[in-house]
Amino acid sequence: DVKVTQSSRYLVKRTGEKVFLECVQDMDHENMFWYRQDPGLGLRLIYFSYDVKMKEKGDIPEGYSVSREKKERFSLILESASTNQTSMYLCASSSKRDTQYFGPGTRLTVL
Amino acid sequence: GQSLEQPSEVTAVEGAIVQINCTYQTSGFYGLSWYQQHDGGAPTFLSYNALDGLEETGRFSSFLSRSDSYGYLLLQELQMKDSASYFCAALNQAGTALIFGKGTTLSVSS
Repeated sequence: DVKVTQSSRYLVKRTGEKVFLECVQDMDHENMFWYRQDPGLGLRLIYFSYDVKMKEKGDIPEGYSVSREKKERFSLILESASTNQTSMYLCASSSKRDTQYFGPGTRLTVL
Repeated sequence: GQSLEQPSEVTAVEGAIVQINCTYQTSGFYGLSWYQQHDGGAPTFLSYNALDGLEETGRFSSFLSRSDSYGYLLLQELQMKDSASYFCAALNQAGTALIFGKGTTLSVSS
């Protein structure tokens, strides 16, 4: 079974803090994705990566950056957290782009 | 741009059949996927239709009509455990990432 793990299930940070969300997959997938999920808005794509050190902006990249130094790990960085970044963050990986495997999510609260 | 529209809520009773529709507008289209997400859980892949027609997987089936820019997920013999959110999704124009609809919350009652 594909396993995608995220570093924290719940996280509470203060406005202005730098926040790192980590995602690791164990299936040697080329593609990895970060989404945020908010009630009534569904899943919105923040960034994705189709290879090590490669990254592409999704629909809502503002306020975020990513890092992919190793194939199995994809990090989402909030340079200066703001309250409007309070959300559920979901990481996913895939070998075929139409079939994604999601991690359990990190519920981030920014105070 | 790209958008997928689906109803926000659907309710049904155990044993019934329910259909969740999805209409899409995309600049390029590769196929339609469906995902299930239980409350507090991660989305999980259900099905993918690249070609027109019906794909059946147990109690769940998915249908696609490219000419109508429309698809649906059909759930038969509903069970309480089918209560969840269901998302349709399609690859973006470049074919590099999935774009999701806003989701349909299915509530199954006894």
